[in-house]
Amino acid sequence: DGGITQSPKYLFRKEGQNVTLSCEQNLNHDAMYWYRQDPGQGLRLIYYSQIVNDFQKGDIAEGYSVSREKKESFPLTVTSAQKNPTAFYLCASSPKWGTGSYNEQFFGPGTRLTVL
Amino acid sequence: EDKVVQSPLSLVVHEGDTVTLNCSYEVTNFRSLLWYKQEKKAPTFLFMLTSSGIEKKSGRLSSILDKKELFSILNITATQTGDSAIYLCAVGLNAGGTSYGKLTFGQGTILTVHP
Repeated sequence: DGGITQSPKYLFRKEGQNVTLSCEQNLNHDAMYWYRQDPGQGLRLIYYSQIVNDFQKGDIAEGYSVSREKKESFPLTVTSAQKNPTAFYLCASSPKWGTGSYNEQFFGPGTRLTVL
Repeated sequence: EDKVVQSPLSLVVHEGDTVTLNCSYEVTNFRSLLWYKQEKKAPTFLFMLTSSGIEKKSGRLSSILDKKELFSILNITATQTGDSAIYLCAVGLNAGGTSYGKLTFGQGTILTVHP
């Protein structure tokens, strides 16, 4: 089965702790993305990566960090510097630039993070 | 700053009604407009529109893009309770520089269909 997996589905964290959210894809997509979704709001881009070992900040990168050591994996760390981390986090991937559908992003099931 | 605005933000209808969801945008270097449906978890892809005036259709759902007026509509006819979801509009930019495949999302429209 091709797709994107995220784990865990639910995550609870105490204030002051860093946590890492996992995202894996077996679609052979080049680009991967992390979004945050808050109630009543659309998706806001945190970080994205076009190729292995390279990534760029999105619109709300402060308090987050990422790595892209393998094509299939793009983990997101929510650090203690993120002031309001409780949210729903979605990972996505898209095909290579130059293909007809490179704007089309495929989403994982999401991780709901709650800070206690 | 790139902006995508959806309206209405929420909508409550009864089964059988027809609904129209709106999406307007102001972005640099437009390439495509996408519609997604989000139920409990992952958004699922509905349509991608790149050409003005060409309707895309899938069953009871259809969508059209107007690149001159910078908006798109998503129509759902004969609504069913299973259509209840958040509908997200996103605009895709042309690749180049740091804009590779990037999507800018609207706030979403929450559609509730009552039996």
